[in-house]
Amino acid sequence: EIVLTQSPGTLSLSPGERATLSCRASQSVPGSFLAWYQQKPGQAPRLLIYGASSRATGIPDRFRGSGSGTDFTLTISRLEPEDFAVYYCQQYGSTPPLTFGGGTKVESK
Amino acid sequence: QVQLVESGGGVVQPGRSLRLSCAASEFTFSSYGMHWVRQAPGKGLNWVALISYDGKNKYYADSVKGRFTISRDNSKNTLYLQMNSLRPEDTGVYYCVRVPAVFSSGWHSLDYWGQGTLVTVSS
Repeated sequence: EIVLTQSPGTLSLSPGERATLSCRASQSVPGSFLAWYQQKPGQAPRLLIYGASSRATGIPDRFRGSGSGTDFTLTISRLEPEDFAVYYCQQYGSTPPLTFGGGTKVESK
Repeated sequence: QVQLVESGGGVVQPGRSLRLSCAASEFTFSSYGMHWVRQAPGKGLNWVALISYDGKNKYYADSVKGRFTISRDNSKNTLYLQMNSLRPEDTGVYYCVRVPAVFSSGWHSLDYWGQGTLVTVSS
């Protein structure tokens, strides 16, 4: 089973700043089959990125995914007020099971 | 717009059973694999089970294997999760989730999520 470790646990930033979130896998993720999700309080997660770097439908281009192997990154170029949320990575290259990271909370400073 | 609406959650005593349902609409349900993903209060996301588009293949997390059963009725556009021998650690919000590819293995990113239904296992 691939274990995903996200860092930092919490990121305190101001609107307009750049956010860099890390997701590290315990072993290489085949095919770079890694996704990123955003979850706001009381809401279901929303798919942002799949295949490590492809944006899902309707996702603004300030969200960028990158990486391969065991190291993946989600970058939000300029934080908008609606971007403060919890972000999860998920791998689907080595299954079962699907596995998720523990999440990174992006909070307003 | 794709819609997934879960129901059937509630408070149940340890050792008892519960069946969750997920009503799907605005897409061809029978063409898509479906997952259940759960989230304990204040915690992260955990995969529970996958069923293929035709119901022939089913997979479970080790933590629920032998206790939970995923199924679907494509004629009713509905996904189910039968949960037996419930434990306190099964408490959480259960999401019904679709994969983005038709007639696939089901091992994908997850593109549409329901709003979730809360299951509380407590005496």
